[in-house]
Amino acid sequence: GENVEQHPSTLSVQEGDSAVIKCTYSDSASNYFPWYKQELGKGPQLIIDIRSNVGEKKDQRIAVTLNKTAKHFSLHITETQPEDSAVYFCAALVPGTASKLTFGTGTRLQVTL
Amino acid sequence: DAGITQSPRYKITETGRQVTLMCHQTWSHSYMFWYRQDLGHGLRLIYYSAAADITDKGEVPDGYVVSRSKTENFPLTLESATRSQTSVYFCASTGGSNQPQHFGDGTRLSIL
Repeated sequence: GENVEQHPSTLSVQEGDSAVIKCTYSDSASNYFPWYKQELGKGPQLIIDIRSNVGEKKDQRIAVTLNKTAKHFSLHITETQPEDSAVYFCAALVPGTASKLTFGTGTRLQVTL
Repeated sequence: DAGITQSPRYKITETGRQVTLMCHQTWSHSYMFWYRQDLGHGLRLIYYSAAADITDKGEVPDGYVVSRSKTENFPLTLESATRSQTSVYFCASTGGSNQPQHFGDGTRLSIL
């Protein structure tokens, strides 16, 4: 089955700096990759997603890049703010399924003042 | 308001007891999921459902039972709770292929 690895497990950056979180997946047939942000006491919330027919997608300060050849995708957050502090999860659609996701183990991002 | 709601938000019970976690969504999404979240493991799929009366096992189904008699509800039952089932449980739903999953705010379950 699909396996997703996520690095780093923790990340501390200063306010205004950029943060990058990387994920690799095992099944080259995966074609959908969402990213979720989870704040304390809440459920994961979708922040951005990318499909395999594009290499990059941006939404204001957030961007995701996809390298299908290397089977990895990354989340980039620019001009980080304290409210970006949370746990971030990457995921990949399990090939052959309409909706099953395999999740990475999460990255705890801390933005310090 | 439309959305996905889980109840209860917190539950404490004893080993051997039966406990049911509820999940309700108002989008009429076909697909619903139950995950457990434990430190170091991320989100692991317990069971999922593609439609009413259609359910299937995920990665960690042992000790859990699900049903889906109505599209909007997807209850998860621990028939005889064990301490290893202490966790935070999340329900999610999606409309279908390549669509994002939307999560509830979770149930924190402690089994003493």
